Amino acid sequence: DIQMTQSPSSLSASVGDRVTITCRASQNIGSYLNWYQQKPGKAPKLLIYAASSLRSGVPSRFSGSGSGTDFTLTISTLQPEDFATYSCQQSYSTPLTFGGGTKVEIK
Amino acid sequence: QVQLQESGPGLVKPSETLTLTCTVSGGSISSYYWTWLRQSPGKGLEYIGYVYYSGSTNYNPSLKSRVTISLDTSKIQFSLRLSSVTAADTAVYYCARTIVVVPPGMPPPYYYYMDVWGKGTTVTVSS
Repeated sequence: DIQMTQSPSSLSASVGDRVTITCRASQNIGSYLNWYQQKPGKAPKLLIYAASSLRSGVPSRFSGSGSGTDFTLTISTLQPEDFATYSCQQSYSTPLTFGGGTKVEIK
Repeated sequence: QVQLQESGPGLVKPSETLTLTCTVSGGSISSYYWTWLRQSPGKGLEYIGYVYYSGSTNYNPSLKSRVTISLDTSKIQFSLRLSSVTAADTAVYYCARTIVVVPPGMPPPYYYYMDVWGKGTTVTVSS
């Protein structure tokens, strides 16, 4: 199985901050990487697919980059509704696997 | 707008079989993959498996011996059966519609992403 490692596991930030979350794959996965946002008690929501494609309806402050083994999710200007847990997921091979999540908390 | 809703028992005894159903409303079941995932308390998401509208399936090898995912196109539902459950199977279970981008004639890998999710249902394994 491909292991997905996210860092940091949590971070504290203020509204208006620029936030960067990293996801590393245990092997080359090309651009087969998705990002999800999850709020407490809710299902995950797709934000980014194919490493950098923004899902329709997702605010443009979210962006994804990277290929191979190293990927980044960036929130350019953190908004109050962005406090949540973010997870990456590889689709290069089954079983599909997820990172452990990064919790973005209010500073 | 497509919506998914999980249903099934919230409590299952150890060694028994867990059965969950996901009902799809507002859209077609055709041409999509339909996935089950779970999330244990305080942990990350785990892929259980998917069923394609043609009936083909893919399962996580860690669960493969205990999992069956099936589709009922007439009811626009798909189901998860997980046998011989233990406390380690206690989790929130999600169903999700999955987009798989398959370029004509191209071998894997393919882009898979879960674009519509159910709200999730909590399953506790306990006697």
